[in-house]
Amino acid sequence: DAGVIQSPRHEVTEMGQEVTLRCKPISGHNSLFWYRQTMMRGLELLIYFNNNVPIDDSGMPEDRFSAKMPNASFSTLKIQPSEPRDSAVYFCASKGGGYGNQPQHFGDGTRLSIL
Amino acid sequence: AQKITQTQPGMFVQEKEAVTLDCTYDTSDPSYGLFWYKQPSSGEMIFLIYQGSYDQQNATEGRYSLNFQKARKSANLVISASQLGDSAMYFCAMREGGYQKVTFGIGTKLQVIP
Repeated sequence: DAGVIQSPRHEVTEMGQEVTLRCKPISGHNSLFWYRQTMMRGLELLIYFNNNVPIDDSGMPEDRFSAKMPNASFSTLKIQPSEPRDSAVYFCASKGGGYGNQPQHFGDGTRLSIL
Repeated sequence: AQKITQTQPGMFVQEKEAVTLDCTYDTSDPSYGLFWYKQPSSGEMIFLIYQGSYDQQNATEGRYSLNFQKARKSANLVISASQLGDSAMYFCAMREGGYQKVTFGIGTKLQVIP
């Protein structure tokens, strides 16, 4: 079975540019999570969706960040305008239904560098 | 207070030996779940093992076992017969109540020495 698919794997762009990260969750999973990982702050939850609806976006750092999930098989995380401090690895994860003993399955991440 | 505490920034273990990675947690919810993930240098996050707060027995998955001590609020990961491929970052994480979100610890870097 295909796992969580993220694109691009690497992104290098200049400060001020718009960045769009994409995620395709595992088919049948109804929860989707966006994380950011840095050396300083570790793994931080940015936002998560349940059945395509944003449930908790309290981790989104500021208005420059936005996330959408237009359907069950696709989500985007957008940064506009981007800043050097946004440089990090961004992970998408999905989880099946049922009780919380189901683990989150992670994509391979997008390594983002803002120059 | 930190919800998940991993106090060992780095650990070394000889190949074929067993190693224990520590994790303590803090929650007042009687229903919770604990997860361990592995992150090799290639960067992907790999789920290893899960323990529920109501589970009567310690979880095991192959060479991984979870030493769950509920009264002490600890959920240590034990890796038996370490292999070179076990060298990675290991993260402990907790889900509280019926919530979907999971809080991760800062991780422990394990290096297996030949």
